Amino acid sequence: EPEVTQTPSHQVTQMGQEVILRCVPISNHLYFYWYRQILGQKVEFLVSFYNNEISEKSEIFDDQFSVERPDGSNFTLKIRSTKLEDSAMYFCASRLHPNTEAFFGQGTRLTVV
Amino acid sequence: KQEVTQIPAALSVPEGENLVLNCSFTDSAIYNLQWFRQDPGKGLTSLLLIQSSQREQTSGRLNASLDKSSGRSTLYIAASQPGDSATYLCAVRMAGNNRKLIWGLGTSLAVNP
Repeated sequence: EPEVTQTPSHQVTQMGQEVILRCVPISNHLYFYWYRQILGQKVEFLVSFYNNEISEKSEIFDDQFSVERPDGSNFTLKIRSTKLEDSAMYFCASRLHPNTEAFFGQGTRLTVV
Repeated sequence: KQEVTQIPAALSVPEGENLVLNCSFTDSAIYNLQWFRQDPGKGLTSLLLIQSSQREQTSGRLNASLDKSSGRSTLYIAASQPGDSATYLCAVRMAGNNRKLIWGLGTSLAVNP
């Protein structure tokens, strides 16, 4: 069964460093998303991406964050100058159409020290 | 602003019991509602998607219902098993161009052998 794949599963980084979280969405899907979940809190929307551009972003998704689809398969989230409060589980998701089921990856646990 | 609430926050039952998890939302203008399962420290597995025009969806021992006008959904798990132990999350997608999911905090379920 097709699945969304995220790498790495766990990343530890020093405060102020840049990290890139990688995702391979399901191959025929057209809509891509990043969410995050801080420990003990609700899952929060970060950004949606369609047709090679951001279609929506949350207040969290400020200039520190960027997304890119560098080729036909990868979808990346870059976090510049990481802060302690960026520590969270980051989830990538994809859908075929906006109103169909969203499929999520296993997440990347980011720990900023 | 849409708020999604799940009760109870935690539930512990003996194996074999039928159980109901509740999800409520404040704005009934949703497009669909999706139930997910999350194992500790792991990703989000989609269980069921209910479109706003539907009343229920079934998959195996799981049955999800939706009452859009009253802002409620329930996830019914029949004949619970220890392997069902996980956190169950509901998320709603609003109508219109807004494609993001808005999440509840989840119900942590423990099924005891």
